[in-house]
Amino acid sequence: AQSVTQLDSQVPVFEEAPVELRCNYSSSVSVYLFWYVQYPNQGLQLLLKYLSGSTLVKGINGFEAEFNKSQTSFHLRKPSVHISDTAEYFCAVSEASSGDKLTFGTGTRLAVRP
Amino acid sequence: DAGVIQSPRHEVTEMGQEVTLRCKPISGHNSLFWYRQTMMRGLELLIYFNNNVPIDDSGMPEDRFSAKMPNASFSTLKIQPSEPRDSAVYFCASKRGPETQYFGPGTRLLVL
Repeated sequence: AQSVTQLDSQVPVFEEAPVELRCNYSSSVSVYLFWYVQYPNQGLQLLLKYLSGSTLVKGINGFEAEFNKSQTSFHLRKPSVHISDTAEYFCAVSEASSGDKLTFGTGTRLAVRP
Repeated sequence: DAGVIQSPRHEVTEMGQEVTLRCKPISGHNSLFWYRQTMMRGLELLIYFNNNVPIDDSGMPEDRFSAKMPNASFSTLKIQPSEPRDSAVYFCASKRGPETQYFGPGTRLLVL
């Protein structure tokens, strides 16, 4: 079984500053990794995903993440955040063999201040 | 495409009543997932279907919960009888093959 740890429940940051949201996973098999964003009172929207290939993955809204197999991490980064990036961010993992069940982390609330 | 459609968006009911949540997956998607989101437990997978067949229902909390997928374009999640601790946001998601899951807007359930 897989598990996902998002160590930071909240990350406050000023507008135009860089941000990194941390995600670590645990799995005995090869995995797919995802970051989803949830705006208030909305469903989850895919930001980016790692399936295979290049370990640096670029997503929507200027976000990127790097898969580090040795450290079992998939941290999310953005060089300059906007007020509109304020939302809850979820890291998720699934088994590469099936790709069916997603296991989610507990989420990180990104609060961007002017 | 219209995306995953869920209804109702909000539901308020009294303890003991039956609640039915509905989901229409994206056309052409062959997998459907039901999730529950609460502050205490985060996002939990309740059950998922492949080609209308339930594959894993280990996340269904108890016998009061049941889910069906009578055809490729419709699924229901039923709670009978409902209890206050069932209050949560319930999400439906769908995907095609090994691709990404797409989430609906959710149903916000409040059981009084």
